[in-house]
Amino acid sequence: GQQVMQIPQYQHVQEGEDFTTYCNSSTTLSNIQWYKQRPGGHPVFLIQLVKSGEVKKQKRLTFQFGEAKKNSSLHITATQTTDVGTYFCAGGDYKLSFGAGTTVTVRA
Amino acid sequence: EAQVTQNPRYLITVTGKKLTVTCSQNMNHEYMSWYRQDPGLGLRQIYYSMNVEVTDKGDVPEGYKVSRKEKRNFPLILESPSPNQTSLYFCASRERGLGYTFGSGTRLTVV
Repeated sequence: GQQVMQIPQYQHVQEGEDFTTYCNSSTTLSNIQWYKQRPGGHPVFLIQLVKSGEVKKQKRLTFQFGEAKKNSSLHITATQTTDVGTYFCAGGDYKLSFGAGTTVTVRA
Repeated sequence: EAQVTQNPRYLITVTGKKLTVTCSQNMNHEYMSWYRQDPGLGLRQIYYSMNVEVTDKGDVPEGYKVSRKEKRNFPLILESPSPNQTSLYFCASRERGLGYTFGSGTRLTVV
């Protein structure tokens, strides 16, 4: 079945720095979704990308969908302590497959 | 308030004792899904439903059953729980083409 891989598994970031997390699929995706899960919480939907090469921004977060619709990235600029959590990408339609997530910790 | 409600939040049970985790959504969503979350493995889909009386297996359906008799409810049934089903379970719902709204989770321990 469809597999979505995320790297890195862990990201330790100095407050104020930028970082990127990547999502790769073995098959072409109809769309890619991104979620954030705070420690002890439940996943919260952030955004969906549908078009090849699509780029969307939410404040300091920039999401990109690859031209071949097999990969995606989330870039966070000027990391803050509020960015702590696990970021998941998910691909598919009826069967939405999640990656294993990138867990972000922030050093103040 | 638009939400997905799961019950119970915490459950400790013994091997082989049938249990049901309830899930209800008040957003009239067509799609509902159950996921389990284990450390290092992310969220793995157990079952999903595209509408009333329409369900299908996800990636890890063994040992679980579901039913969708009403649009708002999507219970998860463990007929004979085993310790390897100890996990954090999430129910979620969405409209097609949109993101999932997740419940707060059910932490299940099978001893």
